[in-house]
Amino acid sequence: EAGVTQFPSHSVIEKGQTVTLRCDPISGHDNLYWYRRVMGKEIKFLLHFVKESKQDESGMPNNRFLAERTGGTYSTLKVQPAELEDSGVYFCASSQESTSGGVTEQFFGPGTRLTVL
Amino acid sequence: AQSVTQLDSQVPVFEEAPVELRCNYSSSVSVYLFWYVQYPNQGLQLLLKYLSGSTLVKGINGFEAEFNKSQTSFHLRKPSVHISDTAEYFCAVRRGFQKLVFGTGTRLLVSP
Repeated sequence: EAGVTQFPSHSVIEKGQTVTLRCDPISGHDNLYWYRRVMGKEIKFLLHFVKESKQDESGMPNNRFLAERTGGTYSTLKVQPAELEDSGVYFCASSQESTSGGVTEQFFGPGTRLTVL
Repeated sequence: AQSVTQLDSQVPVFEEAPVELRCNYSSSVSVYLFWYVQYPNQGLQLLLKYLSGSTLVKGINGFEAEFNKSQTSFHLRKPSVHISDTAEYFCAVRRGFQKLVFGTGTRLLVSP
């Protein structure tokens, strides 16, 4: 079974440009999460999709960030326009919906390292 | 709100020595506790988790952690480390189906 995949693995852009990150969750996983780690700091939650709906977007830093999950499959995270402080590693994770109320494991992708110059 | 503290940013140890990576959390409600590991150029991998029941949790690769409610700690231990355990380790808490809240990570550096 394929794991969570993310593309690209690295992206270097200039301030003011636009970048789109993609995440393909594990097939059949309804829950999709985006997290970000700024250099030297903790990994922080950005948002959570359940299928195509945004369940929680409380971690989105500002309106320069736009996440979509059309069709409830893969997700994209667009940063427009990018600023220096957006540099970091962006992780995607997915999990199954729990039908029994139990806690399901979040499986993480390898991350996209974004550098804004 | 929940928070996680990993006081040690880096822990150097020699191969075959024991190691403990510290994690303390704060939460006003019951939470689930996790340890993740990130090997170089890979994603985060779940090492172990505490949901309920026995406070001593065993995970993969010989790691274990003990949940201590009175001290609000969830320290990770391994009795004998290998070179291959060199990685970054993250402690995290989660309430229900909500987001994971991570600590800042601890780099474990194992040398021969």
